[in-house]
Amino acid sequence: GAGVSQSPSNKVTEKGKDVELRCDPISGHTALYWYRQSLGQGLEFLIYFQGNSAPDKSGLPSDRFSAERTGGSVSTLTIQRTQQEDSAVYLCASSRIQGTLENGYTFGSGTRLTVV
Amino acid sequence: RKEVEQDPGPFNVPEGATVAFNCTYSNSASQSFFWYRQDCRKEPKLLMSVYSSGNEDGRFTAQLNRASQYISLLIRDSKLSDSATYLCVVNRPQGSGTYKYIFGTGTRLKVLA
Repeated sequence: GAGVSQSPSNKVTEKGKDVELRCDPISGHTALYWYRQSLGQGLEFLIYFQGNSAPDKSGLPSDRFSAERTGGSVSTLTIQRTQQEDSAVYLCASSRIQGTLENGYTFGSGTRLTVV
Repeated sequence: RKEVEQDPGPFNVPEGATVAFNCTYSNSASQSFFWYRQDCRKEPKLLMSVYSSGNEDGRFTAQLNRASQYISLLIRDSKLSDSATYLCVVNRPQGSGTYKYIFGTGTRLKVLA
């Protein structure tokens, strides 16, 4: 696609429920990243995919968080048994081959998750 | 010490002023540097890359000082529309040709009429 697409744009869920967040990166971008941004805070790295594999999962806050990527394209971030502290904007970004100086990330517009 | 550090601000400046932000990084092996802009409740967007020789894009000038491990962003003739949070981003090599982008928490700029 022309840009990074995330869905849903907003999600309100009850504490304890599971949620799935979807990211569709720019076509041809092999690298995909998930970040979390709480209100007034910086970007917190969650997980990085190169193709379908995740060489770096170091940012996932707990085992309630998991992510997968299939076909080198769409990625899904799943949060099980949501807690109120999971409320944040979840941003997905993609980039072409890593390390190219002229390319940064292209971000999607995010999923705003509210756990009530 | 954070890997990428920025003064959170806010920097309140009048229209037309010149303002500069610095960002320090701790990993001397970092090779790529960027400034991103994030408007309130929006996603970050690439403002400009930062090259060793320094680079300019209109009213914006970015510079890199490898010896002191900081990058800077200078905005001349500030406009109201420049009000945003400016994120410093540093690319950390992780071996095997892989990299990870580390974001600073951002510097908030308010340009006042």
